[in-house]
Amino acid sequence: EVQLLESGGDLVQPGGSLRLSCAASRFTFGSYAMSWVRQAPGKGLEWVSVISGGGSNTYYADSVKGRFTISRDNSKNTLYLQMNSLRAEDTAVYYCAKDPTGTTRSFDSWGQGTLVTVSS
Amino acid sequence: QSALTQPASVSGSPGQSITISCTGTSSDVGGYNYVSWYQQHPGKAPKLMIYDVNDRPSGVSDRFSASKSGNTASLTISGLQAEDEADYYCGSYTSSSTRFVFGTGTKVTVL
Repeated sequence: EVQLLESGGDLVQPGGSLRLSCAASRFTFGSYAMSWVRQAPGKGLEWVSVISGGGSNTYYADSVKGRFTISRDNSKNTLYLQMNSLRAEDTAVYYCAKDPTGTTRSFDSWGQGTLVTVSS
Repeated sequence: QSALTQPASVSGSPGQSITISCTGTSSDVGGYNYVSWYQQHPGKAPKLMIYDVNDRPSGVSDRFSASKSGNTASLTISGLQAEDEADYYCGSYTSSSTRFVFGTGTKVTVL
């Protein structure tokens, strides 16, 4: 069974930075695109970013474009999300999710999430 | 890119059928057969229930079915059970630069 384990969530001040990690196991990590999805407290799901299996193609939601950077290290089976210039509205549980098709059509496996709180 | 539109809540009695709608545009729901549906219980990660409009992943009950007409997709839960009480989100590939969009979410209550 696919395993995805996020880490790195923390309390950070507005304007600060944070890097999230997602450790993947039990599947051929480099063969699949991966996404980050977030959920603010009591709110709905918001897609954040996707990276192709090889890491050459990335896309972002307008709300994070220019501030967040998605990356991956296939030798370590790990996905990352570098978050800069954090705002209060970035407060959310961040999930990593596996994309089975590579075309951002759906997400068939999810991690348990890591909480990011942006507050002074 | 705006979120796809779903009703805030839907309810039904055990054994009944309910349908959740998901309305988008020709740039997402209407333009591609790439609609997916997710179930989320409180405090848990989302679970994929339907992909590519009407396909079920292995292990998902056949009480869950889905369809699409124009810019609106629908998820139907038949034989409603207590365990179906959860939040449900639709999602779609979009031709916009952002690539994927979720729906606003629907809370399903089993009366």
